[in-house]
Amino acid sequence: KAGVTQTPRYLIKTRGQQVTLSCSPISGHRSVSWYQQTPGQGLQFLFEYFSETQRNKGNFPGRFSGRQFSNSRSEMNVSTLELGDSALYLCASSLPLAGASYNEQFFGPGTRLTVL
Amino acid sequence: DQQVKQNSPSLSVQEGRISILNCDYTNSMFDYFLWYKKYPAEGPTFLISISSIKDKNEDGRFTVFLNKSAKHLSLHIVPSQPGDSAVYFCAAVRSSNTGKLIFGQGTTLQVKP
Repeated sequence: KAGVTQTPRYLIKTRGQQVTLSCSPISGHRSVSWYQQTPGQGLQFLFEYFSETQRNKGNFPGRFSGRQFSNSRSEMNVSTLELGDSALYLCASSLPLAGASYNEQFFGPGTRLTVL
Repeated sequence: DQQVKQNSPSLSVQEGRISILNCDYTNSMFDYFLWYKKYPAEGPTFLISISSIKDKNEDGRFTVFLNKSAKHLSLHIVPSQPGDSAVYFCAAVRSSNTGKLIFGQGTTLQVKP
């Protein structure tokens, strides 16, 4: 079974530009969560999508947005890029199982975004 | 507000010895706690989890202990192997919010041959 894939793996942008990152979950998984990893802040939750609806949102400005398609693939968009947006962006997918207390999240390799 | 904290940025142990990684949390509403392992240029990989109703969970060389009264958990790796060298993240989640993991800052473990 293929794992979570993210494209592109590396990206360089300049301040003020916008960027779109893509995530393809494991086949059959319906939930996709996005995280930002930076040296100073660690791994921080951005948002979660389930059945094309945003189910959870972290404490990030409105410049960060996302969406999920009917095939569960997800994209996140960052507009008006700032230097501080340089980070590793990770997505994770899970089933989830109805009634389960916890559904394991499987992570992709991430997209390394550098803002110059 | 850092709800999950890993106060040791790094840990170095000798091969064959025990590695103990620690994690503290502040939110008593968390239902599950997890440990992830991360190598450079890869996404985190799930290692082991524990429900808040248990105080210990074991899987091979990995054991997680939970002390709810102290809001503290730890990961024990016995025996440690050089391949265990990686960054270890502690994470917590509420069952009402299973898609939202709250991570600690990570601890870099180095196992010396």
